[in-house]
Amino acid sequence: AQSVTQLDSHVSVSEGTPVLLRCNYSSSYSPSLFWYVQHPNKGLQLLLKYTSAATLVKGINGFEAEFKKSETSFHLTKPSAHMSDAAEYFCVVSITGGGNKLTFGTGTQLKVEL
Amino acid sequence: DTGVSQNPRHKITKRGQNVTFRCDPISEHNRLYWYRQTLGQGPEFLTYFQNEAQLEKSRLLSDRFSAERPKGSFSTLEIQRTEQGDSAMYLCASSIPPEATSSYEQYFGPGTRLTVT
Repeated sequence: AQSVTQLDSHVSVSEGTPVLLRCNYSSSYSPSLFWYVQHPNKGLQLLLKYTSAATLVKGINGFEAEFKKSETSFHLTKPSAHMSDAAEYFCVVSITGGGNKLTFGTGTQLKVEL
Repeated sequence: DTGVSQNPRHKITKRGQNVTFRCDPISEHNRLYWYRQTLGQGPEFLTYFQNEAQLEKSRLLSDRFSAERPKGSFSTLEIQRTEQGDSAMYLCASSIPPEATSSYEQYFGPGTRLTVT
């Protein structure tokens, strides 16, 4: 079985300050991990993915995440928040060979204030 | 834009009616997935196809739900005798098979929002 836990349902930051969205995963096998973003009334967009290559993964729009096996974590970071980053973020796990179906966390709503 | 498309985008129906949604995946993707997202939750897996074969169904997919992908291209999801609890966003995603890439990412459509009154 696989699961993800997003530790914060809401995060609020000021524009220009760092962003940290926390995610812990549970998996019996080597997982693939993803972060997706969902803007209001728009589809889910892939931000970045980890699939057993480099543990520090860079994604679009300046986001990055670090896979830490010892901590079973895959936290999402960005050095400087922009107003356009305000959205819902989902941490996602899948297992290779298990149909690659995705298991989503409950989401973190990111608010960016002036 | 040749992304994943879904129709209709919104559907309002009365309890007890049947509804059908369509998903057109990215053309070279032979895997197609259906997910359901309720308010305030992350999407949950319903079923997936590789080409025309339906390979897995979630326990969430009751007998009132049926999905098809007859020619390995577009897919339909039908809900019979809709209930208020079926109100949700239904998302479709497609991907290349794992043998062709190491990344396994799925590309999502905009979803069909179903409201059952």
